[in-house]
Amino acid sequence: QVQLQESGPGLLKPSETLSLTCTVSGGSISRGGYYWGWIRQHPGKGLEWIGYISYSGTTYYNPSLKSRITMSVDTSTNHFSVRLSSVTAADTAVYYCARGVGDYINAFEIWGQGTMVTVSS
Amino acid sequence: IVMTQSPATLSVSPGERATLSCRASESVYSNLAWYQQKPGQAPRLVIYGASTRATGIPARFSGSGSGTEFTLTITSLQSEDFAVYYCQQYNNWGTFGGGTKVEIK
Repeated sequence: QVQLQESGPGLLKPSETLSLTCTVSGGSISRGGYYWGWIRQHPGKGLEWIGYISYSGTTYYNPSLKSRITMSVDTSTNHFSVRLSSVTAADTAVYYCARGVGDYINAFEIWGQGTMVTVSS
Repeated sequence: IVMTQSPATLSVSPGERATLSCRASESVYSNLAWYQQKPGQAPRLVIYGASTRATGIPARFSGSGSGTEFTLTITSLQSEDFAVYYCQQYNNWGTFGGGTKVEIK
C-alpha cells in the first residue's frame, strides 16, 4: 500500500528556508486523481493546511503562507517537496505530508508520520 | 472560511453515543471531512464528502450535514475511539476546525 515519509532538517535558524521532502512508496505519484499535500501542527495545537500539488504541478496554497511557499513534484523520483522561506519561531511545528483521497478531493487519506521542525536561534 | 467545532471536550462513557458539531462561516456544500487524531500519531481520515466513510472506518462512524452545519456521530463508543476529532472544509482551499476531544467519562 502507499506510504509517505517526510524528511528534512529538524532545526533551523530564523530567516532560513525550510525544505521538506515527502517520499512516496508503494505507488506512483504520477497516477492521476490525487492531491499531494502538506499540513502542519504547532505544538499542542490544531491542524493547519499548508497546500497541495498535483502530479502535473498544479498548486494551491494557504493564502496566509502563499508569499513564502513553493511546492514541487518530481515524478522521476516519486517525491514531492515544500519550501518555506524566511522562517520564524511561529513556523515551529510538526509537518505532515499526505495524499488526497482521490478524484482530486482535497481531503487527506494517507499521511506520513510527521517530522518536527524547530526554528530557533 | 472559519470552521468552529463544538464542544471543545466531550465526556462520554464507553458504549454511549457521541455527537460532534462543526460549523462553517459560509457554505462549503458537502466539501467537509472529519479526522481522528490520537496522541503522537498522524490524523486519520474518518469521513469525507460530509457523509462518506473512508476506507476501513467502522460503520459506527457517520457524518451528516451540508452547507454550514455538520455532525459526526459515533454510536457505541469503543476504547479506540477516544481521541481528538477535527473537521476540515475543502470547498475553498482548506481550513480545519479547532478540534473536539472525546474523552472517557
